[in-house]
Amino acid sequence: AQSVTQPDIHITVSEGASLELRCNYSYGATPYLFWYVQSPGQGLQLLLKYFSGDTLVQGIKGFEAEFKRSQSSFNLRKPSVHWSDAAEYFCAVSSYNTDKLIFGTGTRLQVFP
Amino acid sequence: DGGITQSPKYLFRKEGQNVTLSCEQNLNHDAMYWYRQDPGQGLRLIYYSQIVNDFQKGDIAEGYSVSREKKESFPLTVTSAQKNPTAFYLCASSIEEGTGAYNSPLHFGNGTRLTVT
Repeated sequence: AQSVTQPDIHITVSEGASLELRCNYSYGATPYLFWYVQSPGQGLQLLLKYFSGDTLVQGIKGFEAEFKRSQSSFNLRKPSVHWSDAAEYFCAVSSYNTDKLIFGTGTRLQVFP
Repeated sequence: DGGITQSPKYLFRKEGQNVTLSCEQNLNHDAMYWYRQDPGQGLRLIYYSQIVNDFQKGDIAEGYSVSREKKESFPLTVTSAQKNPTAFYLCASSIEEGTGAYNSPLHFGNGTRLTVT
């Protein structure tokens, strides 16, 4: 069965530190991969997506993610975290032969000054 | 600016009452979705619609109903049959590309927090 795993429920970093949020997926077909961010009490906003091509994708707000097929991973990174990055981050996956978008359970990011 | 409007932001109901959550979009998107969000469980799909007058059940449709009479509107009714209706409900839309594939990014509203006591 298709699934998305975000192993880290909660991550705390200091402002200015680097960040990596993990996402692993289990999917039979070529995946379409997404990262979304959610501020408290708000909807989700798309950070970036991967469909094909270059495995390193750039997104908004200085985020990037790398697709590694051999590891079934699509980890989100940012070189220097800002206090405004504190939010919940969701990884999601779909495919050309499905009509479902599967979300991970999310990683809550806390940023200390 | 185009977007998705969910109303109200907060909704309180007594157990046993049906309640309807509003979702309107002016993005001219074909597809619309309803998700339920509970702490630690991510987003779970309730219903989705790819075209007017047609919709499909998602993973947790029991106790919910929807209609899609207009392209812009996709209201969700939480019925008294829903065992645990208290949750944060998110509406989303997307441009449909291809044949029913989730390859279009979702645009989300700001959600409705429903509390049933």
